[in-house]
Amino acid sequence: GIQVEQSPPDLILQEGANSTLRCNFSDSVNNLQWFHQNPWGQLINLFYIPSGTKQNGRLSATTVATERYSLLYISSSQTTDSGVYFCAVPQGAQKLVFGQGTRLTINP
Amino acid sequence: GAVVSQHPSWVICKSGTSVKIECRSLDFQATTMFWYRQFPKQSLMLMATSNEGSKATYEQGVEKDKFLINHASLTLSTLTVTSAHPEDSSFYICSTGRGANTQYFGPGTRLTVL
Repeated sequence: GIQVEQSPPDLILQEGANSTLRCNFSDSVNNLQWFHQNPWGQLINLFYIPSGTKQNGRLSATTVATERYSLLYISSSQTTDSGVYFCAVPQGAQKLVFGQGTRLTINP
Repeated sequence: GAVVSQHPSWVICKSGTSVKIECRSLDFQATTMFWYRQFPKQSLMLMATSNEGSKATYEQGVEKDKFLINHASLTLSTLTVTSAHPEDSSFYICSTGRGANTQYFGPGTRLTVL
């Protein structure tokens, strides 16, 4: 099956810093999603991004499908950005395969 | 997007007992629901696909007799962990949606087996 790798596994930053999270995948995909899992465990979809670039406030994402990677950018980090960020790709019609996640800690 | 709820939010039980976790789709008719398990500091792993009115499909390595799934209506799927043991302690999350590209996740249920 498809493999999804994320880096870095952990990231600790001061409030206000910018960060880039990376997701590599082993096979062609027709979509890629970025999720934020808050400290209480709730998963929140951030982006559906099969290719190109999308922006939503301080967050933006870019997927280069031909090179099989996606990047999530967080600018001017806030403590509420803390949590785990997952990327996930579909395998088949309905199954999602998740990467191992990047644990982001934003210190005040 | 769809709203998905789970009950209970957390549960503590003794080893050997069975625990039922409910997943409800509050505003979406869910013919398919997914059950994931997440161990501490690890990723989500799909356990099974729950299909309304038919048998669930389990991922390789998941014991179907231990993790009983019932999807009796378009709004409710249940996961029963039978004869739970400490190694079953985990965070269980359900999701539903219109295919892999549109998935909505419940808030999760934290199970602790003593």
